[in-house]
Amino acid sequence: NAGVTQTPKFQVLKTGQSMTLQCAQDMNHNSMYWYRQDPGMGLRLIYYSASEGTTDKGEVPNGYNVSRLNKREFSLRLESAAPSQTSVYFCASMAEGRAEETQYFGPGTRLLVL
Amino acid sequence: GNSVTQMEGPVTLSEEAFLTINCTYTATGYPSLFWYVQYPGEGLQLLLKATKADDKGSNKGFEATYRKETTSFHLEKGSVQVSDSAVYFCALSNAGGTSYGKLTFGQGTILTVHP
Repeated sequence: NAGVTQTPKFQVLKTGQSMTLQCAQDMNHNSMYWYRQDPGMGLRLIYYSASEGTTDKGEVPNGYNVSRLNKREFSLRLESAAPSQTSVYFCASMAEGRAEETQYFGPGTRLLVL
Repeated sequence: GNSVTQMEGPVTLSEEAFLTINCTYTATGYPSLFWYVQYPGEGLQLLLKATKADDKGSNKGFEATYRKETTSFHLEKGSVQVSDSAVYFCALSNAGGTSYGKLTFGQGTILTVHP
C-alpha cells in the first residue's frame, strides 16, 4: 500500500497564479484533511472532508477551495496565490473520523509563492 | 476553543540523555491526546496516543501519560539516540459527533541529538 500520496512535491508560483494540490489515499478511509505547516505554528487545518460528498472549513480556509472527488481523492485549490500561502501542505486521512483514531499523513507539498 | 502548548525549542541533547518535552492542553470534554513525529523531509507519523485519563501511551521507548488534573501529556524517553532527531508535535482531538477527528496541534519541538 502506498498510503497517502501527494503531488506535486515542490511548486513555485507567482502571485495571482492558480494551482491544485492533489491527494490520494488507498486505505479506504472515509475522512480526509488538508493542513498547512508554518514555522513556529504547528499544523493548522484548512479544510476537511468527513466522508465522501462532504467538505467543511477548518481553522484557516480563506484563499482555498477543496473537492472530494471520490472516496480516494481530496484536492486543494489555490485560485489566486498570495505570498502568505507559502507553506508546506499536508494531506491526511483517517478511517472513520473518530477522535481516538490515528491520522495518516502524506509526504507534503512545498509551495513557494513569489 | 481547543489549544495545545508545547515547550519552546529547539532541544539539543547528547546521545543517551533523558528527554522531556512538555505539552499542556485546553479542551472541552475528554479529548484524545497524541504525539506525532516528523523526520527530516517526511510527513508526520503517529508516535503514541492516549484516549482517556491516566492512560499511558508508549512506543519506541517513548512514553506519555494523560494527566487530566494538570491537562498535560508530557513526552519522555530515558535514553535518546541520534536517530530520534526530528520534530515532535503534541496534538488533541475532541470526542463527540461533530469533531470528525480534527486535530489541534502544538507548535512543534525540534529535537537534535548529537553523538
